[in-house]
Amino acid sequence: QKEVEQNSGPLSVPEGAIASLNCTYSDRGSQSFFWYRQYSGKSPELIMFIYSNGDKEDGRFTAQLNKASQYVSLLIRDSQPSDSATYLCAVNTRGGSEKLVFGKGTKLTVNP
Amino acid sequence: GAVVSQHPSRVICKSGTSVKIECRSLDFQATTMFWYRQFPKQSLMLMATSNEGSKATYEQGVEKDKFLINHASLTLSTLTVTSAHPEDSSFYICSARSAGLSSNQPQHFGDGTRLSIL
Repeated sequence: QKEVEQNSGPLSVPEGAIASLNCTYSDRGSQSFFWYRQYSGKSPELIMFIYSNGDKEDGRFTAQLNKASQYVSLLIRDSQPSDSATYLCAVNTRGGSEKLVFGKGTKLTVNP
Repeated sequence: GAVVSQHPSRVICKSGTSVKIECRSLDFQATTMFWYRQFPKQSLMLMATSNEGSKATYEQGVEKDKFLINHASLTLSTLTVTSAHPEDSSFYICSARSAGLSSNQPQHFGDGTRLSIL
């Protein structure tokens, strides 16, 4: 059973702080990793994806991947109230599988 | 780029009605589309993988005769919930991935369809 684990939260941070969201996965053969943001009542929106070990930055967002530890994280710098949402970690496994395995999501609240 | 349109956004209908939901990739061709269901405060559950020109692959526990999927072109997949009952009420979301690229490419989601069966 391929699993993706996230802390359900809620995670609360003050406006302007760095929010750190974490995700672990069980399948060592996983090759690609995605972070989606989902506002309440809406569908998921792609934030970032990462394939290689290390950091990938896009604006205020940084994805970090450590395949040896089977760990992927998302950092949000200068957090804004509009960042308040549930963040879903998703993993695409090896072997040509097209399916994404989603974590249950971490609810982030950024307090003004 | 990578816009996925899903229609309708909301459906309210009586028990026993069949409901058709459309998913279109507007600015790219999608060999593969995915259908998910999400109950309140739960994560997405993959229902089926839809491949253009072939039969859909259903996840375990999803009734293929209940949830009919058609992927007739590279830009359109449809999900029909047949003889819907109140327990089918949920948020249905489609996603699509570009054709011709590896399975590592991201999936892009439609806006979802909120289905309420009375």
